[in-house]
Amino acid sequence: AQRVTQPEKLLSVFKGAPVELKCNYSYSGSPELFWYVQYSRQRLQLLLRHISRESIKGFTADLNKGETSFHLKKPFAQEEDSAMYYCALRANFGNEKLTFGTGTRLTIIP
Amino acid sequence: DAGVTQSPTHLIKTRGQQVTLRCSPKSGHDTVSWYQQALGQGPQFIFQYYEEEERQRGNFPDRFSGHQFPNYSSELNVNALLLGDSALYLCASSLVSGEQFFGPGTRLTVL
Repeated sequence: AQRVTQPEKLLSVFKGAPVELKCNYSYSGSPELFWYVQYSRQRLQLLLRHISRESIKGFTADLNKGETSFHLKKPFAQEEDSAMYYCALRANFGNEKLTFGTGTRLTIIP
Repeated sequence: DAGVTQSPTHLIKTRGQQVTLRCSPKSGHDTVSWYQQALGQGPQFIFQYYEEEERQRGNFPDRFSGHQFPNYSSELNVNALLLGDSALYLCASSLVSGEQFFGPGTRLTVL
């Protein structure tokens, strides 16, 4: 079985400060990891996926298989980063089920 | 393209009733997945439809059933509603194994 844990329900960070949203997973195989974001009054949307290894809106996330983590980071927080963030896991390619964590609400303090 | 659309937006039912939720996928997508999101929780996978068949199912009872039509739209049916079925129901569309695009959801309240 797979599980995704986001230990922080709420996180407040000052504008311009670094951001780190934690995500740990439990899965015996090689998973695909994703970060989804939901801005106020908008639908859930994909922010980034580990296989693309790209930076989106200044955010990056590195898959650490040793620590089974996929933390989301941004060096300088912006007010528009305030949103709900969900980490998600897909067991393997072709297995469509996404397993989500409980989410972290990020608030950027001006 | 309006993206993934869902109807209705909100729904109130009483225990024991049955409900049908609808989803139209993003243009060009052939796969529809359904998720249940309870308050304060992340979305939980219910099932996925592809080529009008249930391709994969999560840990939900048989009271939850679905259907996909030839135009790729989909319905989620829930029978014998329980209070615990109150949640936001999300539909996501994709190409097989591609990025899932989510709809705005249907808020179901069971009284």
